[in-house]
Formats: sequence, structure tokens, C-alpha cells
Amino acid sequence: DTEVTQTPKHLVMGMTNKKSLKCEQHMGHRAMYWYKQKAKKPPELMFVYSYEKLSINESVPSRFSPECPNSSLLNLHLHALQPEDSALYLCASSPLVGSYNEQFFGPGTRLTVL
Amino acid sequence: QQQVKQSPQSLIVQKGGISIINCAYENTAFDYFPWYQQFPGKGPALLIAIRPDVSEKKEGRFTISFNKSAKQFSLHIMDSQPGDSATYFCAARKRHGANSKLTFGKGITLSVRP
Repeated sequence: DTEVTQTPKHLVMGMTNKKSLKCEQHMGHRAMYWYKQKAKKPPELMFVYSYEKLSINESVPSRFSPECPNSSLLNLHLHALQPEDSALYLCASSPLVGSYNEQFFGPGTRLTVL
Repeated sequence: QQQVKQSPQSLIVQKGGISIINCAYENTAFDYFPWYQQFPGKGPALLIAIRPDVSEKKEGRFTISFNKSAKQFSLHIMDSQPGDSATYFCAARKRHGANSKLTFGKGITLSVRP
């Protein structure tokens, strides 16, 4: 299995809702990432987990809360989002952080905040 | 400060032609240079990557040329096909360090005309 899966594919939520994005990989990778991508822009790193521990938080607002329950699963909990948070949220994984480790991206969750 | 600059911003090529996308970087600590291809509604996929100890790497129709002294690298797509129409991102990363993360260029939209 050489893919990263993400659910749901699409999500529409109001500013008062609480929702979660899910990411899963079964490649034995020990590094997992959340990125945010706006239309016609490159991915922006949000969080990095290494061995299930948060190693990088790119000063992301607290309304985004990541969680790594185990080495195969990564969640992003969303609460009180703003319309400007609407974007494609990408999950990625790599064998380890850094070095020449290739990052594999999932297909993303298209999030719309009303 | 944009650490990885990509050019041109968009590119239109006839089927069978050569597509050339250029990137320049500033940080001499970068030592891993991947290219990602992204189709609409999909996550980025690694196309090809190069380390600075080689000047060229070829995989099928895709070739990376690397010029360490000029701090530039480029992607050549030979015999371009309509199916190559996508957004292409160059990226760079430092090999070592806990904060070793991908720095992306702005991306270029390639259209291959039939």
C-alpha cells in the first residue's frame, strides 16, 4: 500500500461547527504532515509529527488542533473556523523527517467554511 | 522573502514540444530539490528529485538539470503531451535539522495544446 488516504473528500461547515479531518497511511512512515493549500498557491506547512509527537507547529491558529493517535493515523480537529480558512487541506507522510525522505501527499480534503 | 523562485508563471507548449521550467534558490544549505506535479482537485505527486552532487537526472521524459554554482535547477519535459497539463512546483529542503521542511516555489501552470 503506497498511498495516503484522506476523508472526507469535501466538507462544508459553519463557523460554529466542530469537525475533523482524517488521514491514514500504511507505509510504515514515521513522519506525517498537514498542509493548507489555497487556489493557485503552493502548499503551506501547518504541522509536522515525528514518531507521533508534534515537532513543528507553523504558528497555526488554535482553531486548528492536530492529533496523531498512532503511527498510521493523523487527525485535524476544526473548531470556530473563519471563511478565509476555506482551502484544500493536504496530508502527507514520509519515512522520516528531513534527509532525502520523499513526502507522499494524499488527495486532500476540500473545506468550505460558510 | 521568497527562497525558491520559479519561472515562468505559466507555460503553453504544443504537443510533442519541450517544456522547460526554471527555479532559483537562495539558501545554500538546501541540498534536496524535488519537483511535484499537481492535477486539479488532487494532491501533489513527486515527479523527480535531485541532490546537488549530480548535475542531471533523467526519468523517462522528465529531466532535472542542476547548476550548483548558479543556484538554479530546471525541469525539462520532453515530447510534452496533453496529459502533462498540470501545475508544477519546484521545492527545496535542507537535509538535516529538526526543522527540515520543504520550501515550495509559487508553481507554474503548464498547458500542452493538442
